[in-house]
Amino acid sequence: DAGITQSPRYKITETGRQVTLMCHQTWSHSYMFWYRQDLGHGLRLIYYSAAADITDKGEVPDGYVVSRSKTENFPLTLESATRSQTSVYFCASSESILAGGPRDEQFFGPGTRLTVL
Amino acid sequence: RKEVEQDPGPFNVPEGATVAFNCTYSNSASQSFFWYRQDCRKEPKLLMSVYSSGNEDGRFTAQLNRASQYISLLIRDSKLSDSATYLCVVTSGGNTDKLIFGTGTRLQVFP
Repeated sequence: DAGITQSPRYKITETGRQVTLMCHQTWSHSYMFWYRQDLGHGLRLIYYSAAADITDKGEVPDGYVVSRSKTENFPLTLESATRSQTSVYFCASSESILAGGPRDEQFFGPGTRLTVL
Repeated sequence: RKEVEQDPGPFNVPEGATVAFNCTYSNSASQSFFWYRQDCRKEPKLLMSVYSSGNEDGRFTAQLNRASQYISLLIRDSKLSDSATYLCVVTSGGNTDKLIFGTGTRLQVFP
């Protein structure tokens, strides 16, 4: 009964390295999202997915790659990490995004705190 | 202009006080509105959706003013446990709706 989980919870890496952040949800929600949260910017959408094998860019997609081969998993990869990608990353899921009402509620994972040195 | 703007606060209020937050949004096509709560270093959680007619959930009341493009959150009888950051969230509008998050308003309730 985990809901939505993220791993790792903390990660330190170096500039230029590839990093993959994992997200797993147990509700079979259609939609999944990746956000980053930085001081002064609030949560900003990186990528989202409406279903398996369907992904789309959000507000800040540059430098990130996503895939969704299975409904329950939505990994986020930083192909070549940069210091500007130091942030807290949140994964979220929801049943829908346009239905209105409780089905649009997004449930968030606990976050991954990533530091790029 | 930011798509969603909030006063960052902090709002420091005593227990039992009533406090109100406003949030303005720029896209008149936005259709859905929410307030999320985020505790320090934790994930955001939905506090309440905001409907056109306004809605109330216990001590919390949310209002929407489409003409002026703002939403509000009123908290009555504040509790210490209400201390958190409150995020105003609106949908971006159009066929590919996404959630746009404000930067949040911090509330600190003191004894």
